[in-house]
Amino acid sequence: DIQMTQSPPSLSASVGDRVTIACRASQSISTYLNWYQQKPGKAPKLLIYTASTLQSGVPSSFSGSGSETHFTLTISSLRPEDFATYYCQQTYTTPRTFGQGTTVEIK
Amino acid sequence: QVRLQEWGAGLLKPSETLSLTCAVFGESVSGYSWTWIRQPPGRGLEWIGEINHSGRATYNPSLKSRVTISVDTSKNQFSLKLYSVTAADTAVYSCARDFTYWGQGTLVTVSS
Repeated sequence: DIQMTQSPPSLSASVGDRVTIACRASQSISTYLNWYQQKPGKAPKLLIYTASTLQSGVPSSFSGSGSETHFTLTISSLRPEDFATYYCQQTYTTPRTFGQGTTVEIK
Repeated sequence: QVRLQEWGAGLLKPSETLSLTCAVFGESVSGYSWTWIRQPPGRGLEWIGEINHSGRATYNPSLKSRVTISVDTSKNQFSLKLYSVTAADTAVYSCARDFTYWGQGTLVTVSS
């Protein structure tokens, strides 16, 4: 299985801050990488697919980059509704594995 | 607008079979890939498996031979069966289309 490792596991930030979350794949996955946002009690919401393509309706404050084994999710300016847990996922092959998640908390 | 809704038994005893169905609205199950994912309480996401438009299913090896995913085109729904459950199978189970559209998830608890 391809292992997906996110860092950091959690972070504290303030509204307006720029936040970057890293995701590393244990082998090359090209750009077959999704990012999700999940809030408590809710299903994950797809933010970005193919590493850098913004899903329809997602604010432009979110962006993704990377290829092969190193990827990043950036939130350019945190809004109150962005405090949540974020997951990366590879869709290069099955099983389609997820990172362990990064929780963005209010400082 | 595509909408997915899961249902099934929420409380099982060890060794029983988990059986969940995902009804699909606004889209035909005859197209796309349809997926089951689970999330144990307080933990991360685990891909269970998927079935494609041709009816070919692919499963997570970690679940070995305990899982079956099937599609019922006449009812526009797809289903999950997980056999011989244990407490480790307690989780919120969600269905999804291409990871874009998700159901709200349903909690399944395994307890004696």
